[in-house]
Amino acid sequence: GAVVSQHPSRVICKSGTSVKIECRSLDFQATTMFWYRQFPKQSLMLMATSNEGSKATYEQGVEKDKFLINHASLTLSTLTVTSAHPEDSSFYICSARNPSGGTDTQYFGPGTRLTVL
Amino acid sequence: AQTVTQSQPEMSVQEAETVTLSCTYDTSESDYYLFWYKQPPSRQMILVIRQEAYKQQNATENRFSVNFQKAAKSFSLKISDSQLGDAAMYFCAYRRAGANSKLTFGKGITLSVRP
Repeated sequence: GAVVSQHPSRVICKSGTSVKIECRSLDFQATTMFWYRQFPKQSLMLMATSNEGSKATYEQGVEKDKFLINHASLTLSTLTVTSAHPEDSSFYICSARNPSGGTDTQYFGPGTRLTVL
Repeated sequence: AQTVTQSQPEMSVQEAETVTLSCTYDTSESDYYLFWYKQPPSRQMILVIRQEAYKQQNATENRFSVNFQKAAKSFSLKISDSQLGDAAMYFCAYRRAGANSKLTFGKGITLSVRP
């Protein structure tokens, strides 16, 4: 299947700092990427939908100024957690949709564990 | 709004046996897709199987098959010859057809496999 990479896999930062997470589709062009947040033993919660070349669409309750999303190319989207606080500690997962071949299937990155001290 | 319900939070199966994970959904759309994703302890989401709503034939991928009942809005996953590596959290998901559609996930079910 298609491959989506995510970097870093784990990050620990101090409260008040900003953290950038990268998501890349390695073998297909993704016009749409998604960012999720997941707490232990829970389902994935969609934070925002990122379309290449346009502003991201945020889900209700997600602060767009805190979670900055940039979809600069068809293979790269970034999520920046600005002024991170301990309550932002979570597992963040990106996903990319492969529109080619008629499958239109969504593939997921391996996730990033963020710990804010 | 679309909803996906996985009512069983946990299940257990003996190695080599068969287990069925249930999922129901609610939608007013006629064209949509259904998915089962597996999330092992590594937390990497892996697509297990996919079903197009317009297809009457149930999807099959090796030991994994689905029972898609469109009228009942039911989409269960059957795992045959269960293996220890099947132990994971399984999520049922729905997405309507269309470029701007989003996945709607169920709450997930934790499957354990007894050796």
